[in-house]
Amino acid sequence: QVQLVQSGAEVKKPGSSVRVSCKASGNTFSSHGIAWVRQAPGLRPEWMGGIIPSFSTTEYAQRFQGRVTITADKSTSTAYMQLTSLKSEDTAVYYCASTPGGWELFDYWGLGTLVTVSS
Amino acid sequence: EIVLTQSPGTLSLSPGERATVSCRASESVSSSFVAWYQYKPGQAPRLLISGASSRATGIPDRFSSSGSGTDHTFTISRVEPEDFAVYYCQQYGSSPPTFGQGTQVEIK
Repeated sequence: QVQLVQSGAEVKKPGSSVRVSCKASGNTFSSHGIAWVRQAPGLRPEWMGGIIPSFSTTEYAQRFQGRVTITADKSTSTAYMQLTSLKSEDTAVYYCASTPGGWELFDYWGLGTLVTVSS
Repeated sequence: EIVLTQSPGTLSLSPGERATVSCRASESVSSSFVAWYQYKPGQAPRLLISGASSRATGIPDRFSSSGSGTDHTFTISRVEPEDFAVYYCQQYGSSPPTFGQGTQVEIK
């Protein structure tokens, strides 16, 4: 079973950036991709993008293009999601999830990281 | 992008009752590309069903799904105390993958 451990909660100022990490257990990166899904208060979950570490390929949701960067360090089995130019509307819980193929079906999830954007 | 609309927003049930959640898509989605997730506070979300109604590892058979085209349904045959949670449908047949707005199954 895949286990995903995410970094802790963050409080950021508008206009700044945040980077959230997601450490995967065992050989997850050899067989799975990692996706990032966020959920703002009262809203539905929203896919941001994903990476397939074994091929170093990424895909991003159009609405986040230019603001989000997803990377993976295979040596530490850790994926990262960086979001720039933060706005109050980016306040949300950010989840990483493993994807058994591609980056669009999420079979195991992390606990989530709360990112609060406030002046 | 495909918009998913779930109903009802809240289901108030007693343990042992049947739960039925509808997920309607703005465009046709094959049931092979519809998934259902369970969210509980303080826990990692859990995949229950994906790909033509296949239950994920360890998911009991009281959970099932069906549907075709724009109409998909999730069912808990007999709700257990641990099933009180929020449930989301998701489609992954068309990019970007999208989620419904959720259905809370609460104790009556």
